[in-house]
Amino acid sequence: DQQVKQNSPSLSVQEGRISILNCDYTNSMFDYFLWYKKYPAEGPTFLISISSIKDKNEDGRFTVFLNKSAKHLSLHIVPSQPGDSAVYFCALIGGGTSYGKLTFGQGTILTVHP
Amino acid sequence: EAGVAQSPRYKIIEKRQSVAFWCNPISGHATLYWYQQILGQGPKLLIQFQNNGVVDDSQLPKDRFSAERLKGVDSTLKIQPAKLEDSAVYLCASSGTSGLRGYEQYFGPGTRLTVT
Repeated sequence: DQQVKQNSPSLSVQEGRISILNCDYTNSMFDYFLWYKKYPAEGPTFLISISSIKDKNEDGRFTVFLNKSAKHLSLHIVPSQPGDSAVYFCALIGGGTSYGKLTFGQGTILTVHP
Repeated sequence: EAGVAQSPRYKIIEKRQSVAFWCNPISGHATLYWYQQILGQGPKLLIQFQNNGVVDDSQLPKDRFSAERLKGVDSTLKIQPAKLEDSAVYLCASSGTSGLRGYEQYFGPGTRLTVT
């Protein structure tokens, strides 16, 4: 039972263009949504988040969009840079689970070409 | 501030052997998490501590996995005996509990376990 899905295992983008990473979920009780970035041999690092009362949150080059009716979350990176190449995980909180418990998607490998 | 520390970084053992991982969270963080990340998957929560009490261990295979957090600071995760399917990266994370910032977890570098 996968409650959180990132259907694209990988994404390749040219430097300077937009990267769009997607995440779908099934449980409408999730109420807080996060994106984490992971480099090889390192732990995930927090990138950006959004609560269920908003539909957009922006932080520099990173914007997260939430469409609650579609149960869809996306991360936009504009402009993309080679240093953005990493694995990106969406992680959701709530869904009837314990406080603070993160439910992760499978991850999308982003490669930004110079 | 210092990040989450984990050791060892890598461990290779044979099946049926035992192994232990150590985690030191960010100072002052009351909540500590252990995750298992199998190759190609996202991290899966094994156990969550609030100070030295267990909040959620619903996905911890208790017949072989155990964890403790003495004095509400450091934590150890043990596997005894290990199986081949335990090969994964074991991630420790911690978070504060003040407002929405409490949702943001800070991860250590992980321990890569290979069971042969």
